[in-house]
Amino acid sequence: QVRLQESGPGLVKPSETLSLTCTVSGGSISSHYWSWIRQPPGKGLEWIGNIYYRGSTIYNASLEGRVTISVDTSKSKFFLNLTSVTAVDTAIYYCARDGRKASGLDSWGQGTLVAVSS
Amino acid sequence: QSVLTQPASVSGAPGQRITLSCSGGADKAVTWYQHVPGKPPKLLFYYGNVPASGVSHRFSGSKSGTSASLAISGLQSEDEADYYCAIWDDSLNGWVFGGGTKLTVL
Repeated sequence: QVRLQESGPGLVKPSETLSLTCTVSGGSISSHYWSWIRQPPGKGLEWIGNIYYRGSTIYNASLEGRVTISVDTSKSKFFLNLTSVTAVDTAIYYCARDGRKASGLDSWGQGTLVAVSS
Repeated sequence: QSVLTQPASVSGAPGQRITLSCSGGADKAVTWYQHVPGKPPKLLFYYGNVPASGVSHRFSGSKSGTSASLAISGLQSEDEADYYCAIWDDSLNGWVFGGGTKLTVL
């Protein structure tokens, strides 16, 4: 049973960069896509982007230009960087294994709350 | 504005059968998620009606007309959650979520 765990600062200042790590355990990071999803307070789920274990990425167009997702297969980790954050980026951030059409977002981390505030 | 439209809220009594709709998803490979606040979302169905591992038989996914649907029979208090439909949109090249439906068990 694959397990995912997000980690990173819970507070980021406006205009700075939000950086999160997702650690994958109990299964291989290889041969899969991996996604980041967020949920602002009181709102629904928003897909941020995903990465294939070989490094190719797709981003939500609404965030393109500010978001970078990367992977380190040797450490079974993948990463999210979101630059120039504002209060609207305050959200619970989830990482998930992404089977795309074939099997959906089938395993999720517990989520981590990131607040953007000075 | 999502391409997938879900009713904001639905309610039902314990033991009742309820149906949640996802308009715009009838001809897509719809996935359904259950999200209990404070917990991560849980995949319920993919390809519209293929259950994920461990999903209760009280849940079923289907298509009806222009909508995809999630039905829950024998409603229980533990089913109280937000339910999201989502598709992998080939034209947008990414996941698109519906706005979610809050299910209240009366």
